[in-house]
Amino acid sequence: AQKITQTQPGMFVQEKEAVTLDCTYDTSDPSYGLFWYKQPSSGEMIFLIYQGSYDQQNATEGRYSLNFQKARKSANLVISASQLGDSAMYFCAMRTSGSARQLTFGSGTQLTVLP
Amino acid sequence: SQTIHQWPATLVQPVGSPLSLECTVEGTSNPNLYWYRQAAGRGLQLLFYSVGIGQISSEVPQNLSASRPQDRQFILSSKKLLLSDSGFYLCAWSLGHPGNQPQHFGDGTRLSIL
Repeated sequence: AQKITQTQPGMFVQEKEAVTLDCTYDTSDPSYGLFWYKQPSSGEMIFLIYQGSYDQQNATEGRYSLNFQKARKSANLVISASQLGDSAMYFCAMRTSGSARQLTFGSGTQLTVLP
Repeated sequence: SQTIHQWPATLVQPVGSPLSLECTVEGTSNPNLYWYRQAAGRGLQLLFYSVGIGQISSEVPQNLSASRPQDRQFILSSKKLLLSDSGFYLCAWSLGHPGNQPQHFGDGTRLSIL
């Protein structure tokens, strides 16, 4: 069975600074994908970034990057130059080849950006 | 471009009443469709998913059911709601392949059971 762990229930960061949100995962499947989603207070889930288990380089999307450490089974999200609009709940999720149509979500990290 | 519509946005229902939440996707064909539930301050729990018309897989035993009467329509139903059915319900879609395709979510339905 696969599992996603997000150990930071809440995080604070000063505006314009970088912040790292932690995510560790557990799976015995050699082929898997890792996703990060943002959920503002309005409730919608917004896809941010994807990392495949066989990808050689860390994924980047604008101010978002994924620090993928396969041996440690971690996939931390790094947000650079934080903005007030980044305040939201962030979820890490995993899809494995054995359950190719399902995502397993972590419990989330509430990020608050301070002015 | 693809869009997903989910309604209603908010619903207040008495215990024992029926439920019908609807989700439709535009701009793609034969998507995978999903229903999730999110308790307050928690992660998402997959309830149902569908890879085609009439094909429904259930992940959690409960008094809810799902149906896919058309390719891009996904319905979540209940005959008699329980207090424990309260929560935030999200519909999502994705392409079936390849595996790096993200799931895209609707705006959700906040369901309160009285």
